[in-house]
Amino acid sequence: EPEVTQTPSHQVTQMGQEVILRCVPISNHLYFYWYRQILGQKVEFLVSFYNNEISEKSEIFDDQFSVERPDGSNFTLKIRSTKLEDSAMYFCASEQGFMTEAFFGQGTRLTVV
Amino acid sequence: EDKVVQSPLSLVVHEGDTVTLNCSYEVTNFRSLLWYKQEKKAPTFLFMLTSSGIEKKSGRLSSILDKKELFSILNITATQTGDSAIYLCAIRTGTYKYIFGTGTRLKVLA
Repeated sequence: EPEVTQTPSHQVTQMGQEVILRCVPISNHLYFYWYRQILGQKVEFLVSFYNNEISEKSEIFDDQFSVERPDGSNFTLKIRSTKLEDSAMYFCASEQGFMTEAFFGQGTRLTVV
Repeated sequence: EDKVVQSPLSLVVHEGDTVTLNCSYEVTNFRSLLWYKQEKKAPTFLFMLTSSGIEKKSGRLSSILDKKELFSILNITATQTGDSAIYLCAIRTGTYKYIFGTGTRLKVLA
């Protein structure tokens, strides 16, 4: 069964460092998302991406964040200068079409020390 | 502000029991409601509901949406230990965004 793949599964980084979280969405999907879940809290929307541009973003997704689809398969989330409060599980999700269900990857646990 | 509220926050039952999980919402632009099961990491899709009164079923799980009263329920009959998980309700608002509730943590004891 096709699935969304995320790498790495766990990343530890020093405060102020840049990190890139990688996702390979399901191959025929057109809509891509990043969500995060701080430990013990709800899943929060960060950004959606369609047709090679950002469709919508939340207040969390400030200038420190950026997304890219550098080739036909990868979808990346970059955090330029990590802060302690960026520590969370980051989920990538993809959808085949509008108003279809989103499929989530296994997540990348980011720990900023 | 858009809001999705799930209840109860947690629930402990014994195998064979039936459980009902609730999701109520207040959003400005409702498109659909989705239920996900989160065990260790990734939420896995259960149901998507767009119309009121139409029950969706999958094995022992079923769900229904009431768009007038702004809520949905997820029923699990004859619970098993493998049903232990966090159940998440998410509302699609606008075109490209889901808002999640805090989830209901279900523990099924053998």
